[in-house]
Amino acid sequence: GEDVEQSLFLSVREGDSSVINCTYTDSSSTYLYWYKQEPGAGLQLLTYIFSNMDMKQDQRLTVLLNKKDKHLSLRIADTQTGDSAIYFCAETPGGADGLTFGKGTHLIIQP
Amino acid sequence: DTEVTQTPKHLVMGMTNKKSLKCEQHMGHRAMYWYKQKAKKPPELMFVYSYEKLSINESVPSRFSPECPNSSLLNLHLHALQPEDSALYLCASSPPGSAEAFFGQGTRLTVV
Repeated sequence: GEDVEQSLFLSVREGDSSVINCTYTDSSSTYLYWYKQEPGAGLQLLTYIFSNMDMKQDQRLTVLLNKKDKHLSLRIADTQTGDSAIYFCAETPGGADGLTFGKGTHLIIQP
Repeated sequence: DTEVTQTPKHLVMGMTNKKSLKCEQHMGHRAMYWYKQKAKKPPELMFVYSYEKLSINESVPSRFSPECPNSSLLNLHLHALQPEDSALYLCASSPPGSAEAFFGQGTRLTVV
């Protein structure tokens, strides 16, 4: 199967920017996604980017896509304690139904 | 209504029990999914229903049996599960022509 790679942990100070990185493997994915999961909860779709775009900004969130390197990143500006969660990137390999998720990055906020 | 609702939120069952997980959405989405998520792992796709027809079955054991009675409902019937099947079971749905998936809060299943 395809592997979507992410670092397991990221620690940032409150107020700083967080950058979460992801490397995916299927260049035919039409969309790439970022999901947030808080403890004991389901997944919340944060944002997504169409594969022919380089960047998408949505309030505090900025997604960058480097299709040549199959690298996706999520920048969270002015990180707050409420941003503490696990962040999953996801793709739709082969454009098929259903998502393949990365292993998730646990974002830890230091006061 | 912009939610995917899953019931029950928690379920404890024995290995000889039969139980069902339920998922409901009223957003007009025509694709519905079951995912399994073990602790500290990403969700893994189990089944996809598209227009109430099973389109993807990711080699899931037959002790898991999905059912899509109509476009708003998705069930997962459980029978003779093993302790290693304990996990968070997530339902999701997508609008027609879109791959955005909206997730429910999940059912936390414990098999004893």
